[in-house]
Amino acid sequence: ILNVEQSPQSLHVQEGDSTNFTCSFPSSNFYALHWYRWETAKSPEALFVMTLNGDEKKKGRISATLNTKEGYSYLYIKGSQPEDSATYLCAFWAGTASKLTFGTGTRLQVTL
Amino acid sequence: KAGVTQTPRYLIKTRGQQVTLSCSPISGHRSVSWYQQTPGQGLQFLFEYFSETQRNKGNFPGRFSGRQFSNSRSEMNVSTLELGDSALYLCASSLYFSSEETQYFGPGTRLLVL
Repeated sequence: ILNVEQSPQSLHVQEGDSTNFTCSFPSSNFYALHWYRWETAKSPEALFVMTLNGDEKKKGRISATLNTKEGYSYLYIKGSQPEDSATYLCAFWAGTASKLTFGTGTRLQVTL
Repeated sequence: KAGVTQTPRYLIKTRGQQVTLSCSPISGHRSVSWYQQTPGQGLQFLFEYFSETQRNKGNFPGRFSGRQFSNSRSEMNVSTLELGDSALYLCASSLYFSSEETQYFGPGTRLLVL
């Protein structure tokens, strides 16, 4: 059974704060790591698909890094805004599984 | 381009009944995968269909089944419902369901079993 863990479980920050979350996954048989943002009452929305060790992705104020040798990825949000409030999911694709295994998510709340 | 749609959005059933959920993928996408989310759990993979064939299945009992039609629309069926089947069911579509492809999710069907 593949284990994907995310921390922290939840986070409450003030507008303008920068924050980061962690996704840990098995370091063997890595194929890809996905990040999704899931706002309440909406569909999960893809942020990044990361495939190479040392890969870094950026979309506006959000960026992600990947370390496949040690089995973790960080998601950073610079200058958090209330519209960033959502649950952030990571999902690991192992070659043997041929499917995405999701973590339980980090719930971010940004207040004024 | 229209997104992934799921019907119905909400459903209330009683134990022992069966239910069918529907998912229409993005036009041109041939893969549809299904997930279950219960409180405190991450999205759990149910199964994936590509060109009307189930290619992969998660660790769920045989009461959970699905199918895909020639237009790539997919249905998921749960027979003999149990209280523990109360969950949000999401489907996602992509061209081929490969590791590097973005999965596009629908809004989900929330099932309540009484």
